[in-house]
Amino acid sequence: IQLTQSPSFLSTSVGDRVTITCRASQGIATFLAWYQQKPGKAPNLLIYAASTLQSGVPSRFSGSGSGTEFTLTISSLQPEDFATYYCQQLHSYPYSFGQGTKLEI
Amino acid sequence: QVQLQESGPGLVKPSGTLSLTCDVSGGSISSNDWWSWVRQSPGKGLEWIGETDQSGSTNYNPSLKSRLTISVDKSKNQLSLKLTSVTAADTAVYFCARFALTIFGDLYYYYMDVWGKGITVTVSS
Repeated sequence: IQLTQSPSFLSTSVGDRVTITCRASQGIATFLAWYQQKPGKAPNLLIYAASTLQSGVPSRFSGSGSGTEFTLTISSLQPEDFATYYCQQLHSYPYSFGQGTKLEI
Repeated sequence: QVQLQESGPGLVKPSGTLSLTCDVSGGSISSNDWWSWVRQSPGKGLEWIGETDQSGSTNYNPSLKSRLTISVDKSKNQLSLKLTSVTAADTAVYFCARFALTIFGDLYYYYMDVWGKGITVTVSS
């Protein structure tokens, strides 16, 4: 299953509302997770089951969608949110990731 | 809380075998969780390599399956990865991760909630 994220790059500012889209090449119900990765670090789980916020993740992050189209929304961008974001499908093997969306200042 | 730490050679010769281990602390590898490897080539995105559970059941990425072995060593509380016949294309940062499970009704949701810091492996002569 191919996952296509858009946009690949996004120039943003602190306080902006940001939406990242992840489209799956076939239906995956809600078997989708979102991760944040900062340079030189491991990915960090933000959301699983498409819309369930992982414990400890700020409430400004939210996820929605089902089937083939999903979104990750950051309601008000904070300085620590500038990073690369990946979606991952866990519906079928091999599990796959989107190509990433890099948020830049 | 569970913590993961990868270790192994940082340099492997072409056609050689890449061998990594992942030490699990703060929890047991014999739990009901699955354990996974993910890699990230320089400047590229994430690639799921494969997974195993404490019984030895495995699922592999078909692109690597013929060269890959993932296993657990319960006595050492350790996950391992072996990739044979490596080429420059296998140069990457390798991460181990825990697959946690949440059940909503009759749906089983897996997700990678704990990751190691990653280890850089370069394939070069």
